[in-house]
Amino acid sequence: EPEVTQTPSHQVTQMGQEVILRCVPISNHLYFYWYRQILGQKVEFLVSFYNNEISEKSEIFDDQFSVERPDGSNFTLKIRSTKLEDSAMYFCASRAGQNTGELFFGEGSRLTVL
Amino acid sequence: SQQGEEDPQALSIQEGENATMNCSYKTSINNLQWYRQNSGRGLVHLILIRSNEREKHSGRLRVTLDTSKKSSSLLITASRAADTASYFCATGAYTGGFKTIFGAGTRLFVKA
Repeated sequence: EPEVTQTPSHQVTQMGQEVILRCVPISNHLYFYWYRQILGQKVEFLVSFYNNEISEKSEIFDDQFSVERPDGSNFTLKIRSTKLEDSAMYFCASRAGQNTGELFFGEGSRLTVL
Repeated sequence: SQQGEEDPQALSIQEGENATMNCSYKTSINNLQWYRQNSGRGLVHLILIRSNEREKHSGRLRVTLDTSKKSSSLLITASRAADTASYFCATGAYTGGFKTIFGAGTRLFVKA
């Protein structure tokens, strides 16, 4: 069964460092998302991406964050200068098309900022 | 906000009992979905109900939607220990792009 894959599963970084989280969405899906979940808390929307551009982003998704789909398969989330409060689980999700609501999630990348 | 809010925050039941979780939201939606998350894992889609539907079934799951009250419920019948997980409602709506917003979740613990 097709699945969304994310790497790395866990990354530890120093405050101020840049981090890139990678996702390979399901191949024929058109809509891509990043969410984050601070330990034990709610799943927060960060950004949606369609047709090679951001469709919508939340207040959390400030200038420190960027997304890219560099090669038609990978979908990356970059955090330019990490802060302690960026420590969270980051989930990538994809959706097939305009008339489908179901999101398919990856297993997440746990980011720990020291 | 579009965000759904679940109730209760936590629920502990015996195996074989039914579990009911409720969700409320604030704005117009296109659909409402329920997801399950095992501890530390990704979310898994359970069921989607469109805004023009009132009830939907899938196996042991029953979802209702009342758009006039902006609320939904998820019923899991004949619960099993393996149902232990967090359950999230998520509202889907067009707000420029199509966005799915999750509530805080209900943590369900089913005792064997």
